[in-house]
Amino acid sequence: IAGITQAPTSQILAAGRRMTLRCTQDMRHNAMYWYRQDLGLGLRLIHYSNTAGTTGKGEVPDGYSVSRANTDDFPLTLASAVPSQTSVYFCATSRDSKETQYFGPGTRLLVL
Amino acid sequence: GEDVEQSLFLSVREGDSSVINCTYTDSSSTYLYWYKQEPGAGLQLLTYIFSNMDMKQDQRLTVLLNKKDKHLSLRIADTQTGDSAIYFCAEPPYNRLAFGKGNQVVVIP
Repeated sequence: IAGITQAPTSQILAAGRRMTLRCTQDMRHNAMYWYRQDLGLGLRLIHYSNTAGTTGKGEVPDGYSVSRANTDDFPLTLASAVPSQTSVYFCATSRDSKETQYFGPGTRLLVL
Repeated sequence: GEDVEQSLFLSVREGDSSVINCTYTDSSSTYLYWYKQEPGAGLQLLTYIFSNMDMKQDQRLTVLLNKKDKHLSLRIADTQTGDSAIYFCAEPPYNRLAFGKGNQVVVIP
């Protein structure tokens, strides 16, 4: 079944550690996105990629980095995790930046 | 920058209608979307409206678009317990602030 997978499902991480959240799609969508969702703040865009080989900063990029080496994968890296990065992280894709977005199941991250 | 605004919480009795509102500031989008997020899950597309339409009906869902006031609403008729969720309006393109904060709807049996 076509879709988006995210890994891990959940993670507890010590502050200062490096962590990569994985996102893989098999829909051959050009655009991919990373959001964080926090209570009362809705969805906030961290980074995006309109097409393989390009990335851009969203609303809250600090402390995060991404890469888009191919169409299918869009990993999100926390170089040195801090407690304020405790959140639920969603990866999403769309055929282009204006069409319907499809969301992964999310990764729940707790930074202690 | 562009902002999408939504109110936060709505409780409604099963069988009643519920209305969720959203305002936006950028009028260049071709489509405006409503997404639904059930507990513990990601967002899923619920419905959308083309920007040259004023209204779209989709079974129990009615989307109204007031372009003059930049106001979008979603009406759910005969609200059911499965409609309990967070609803987000979205205004592409998605490579910037495109989603409202969401509106949590709680359906009371």
